[in-house]
Amino acid sequence: KQEVTQIPAALSVPEGENLVLNCSFTDSAIYNLQWFRQDPGKGLTSLLLIQSSQREQTSGRLNASLDKSSGRSTLYIAASQPGDSATYLCAAPAREAAGNKLTFGGGTRVLVKP
Amino acid sequence: DAGVIQSPRHEVTEMGQEVTLRCKPISGHDYLFWYRQTMMRGLELLIYFNNNVPIDDSGMPEDRFSAKMPNASFSTLKIQPSEPRDSAVYFCASSFSPQGGYGYTFGSGTRLTVV
Repeated sequence: KQEVTQIPAALSVPEGENLVLNCSFTDSAIYNLQWFRQDPGKGLTSLLLIQSSQREQTSGRLNASLDKSSGRSTLYIAASQPGDSATYLCAAPAREAAGNKLTFGGGTRVLVKP
Repeated sequence: DAGVIQSPRHEVTEMGQEVTLRCKPISGHDYLFWYRQTMMRGLELLIYFNNNVPIDDSGMPEDRFSAKMPNASFSTLKIQPSEPRDSAVYFCASSFSPQGGYGYTFGSGTRLTVV
């Protein structure tokens, strides 16, 4: 059974500082790993999807790395802005014969102070 | 494509009433997932479908919960009778491939309050 953990649960940084969000998973036989953003009272917005064959994926100020052997993924957000304040969730499926189910971490709640 | 569409956005109902949540997945996606989010338990998978067929409903909490997917463009999650502990945000998501190779797209959710 896949278990996904995100530490820390909450993070507060001043504007301009780089953010480092951690995600660990127990079943390394994953097809991919996905990072989402969730604003209060809103749905989930997909940020980055890293395939199992990739080591990292980049989109603008966001960079996500994947190390399957150690069961870890890290989301980096460069030069944080107040608009980056949200909860960030990582999710990993596990290889199953009949399709994949995403298992979510508990999320890291980020506050970027102006 | 308009993305995954859920309705209603908010639902307030009295305990004991039947509640039906609706989802329209992205056209061409052959996997559909229903998730529930609460502060205490985070995001939990309730059930998922492949090509309109329920594959795994082990996350459905009780027999009061049921889900159907009569066709590729529509799914419902029904709670009957509803209870206050069912209050949560219910999300629907769809995916293009079994491996989720193209990722998952979530709807905006239905916030259910049972009083």
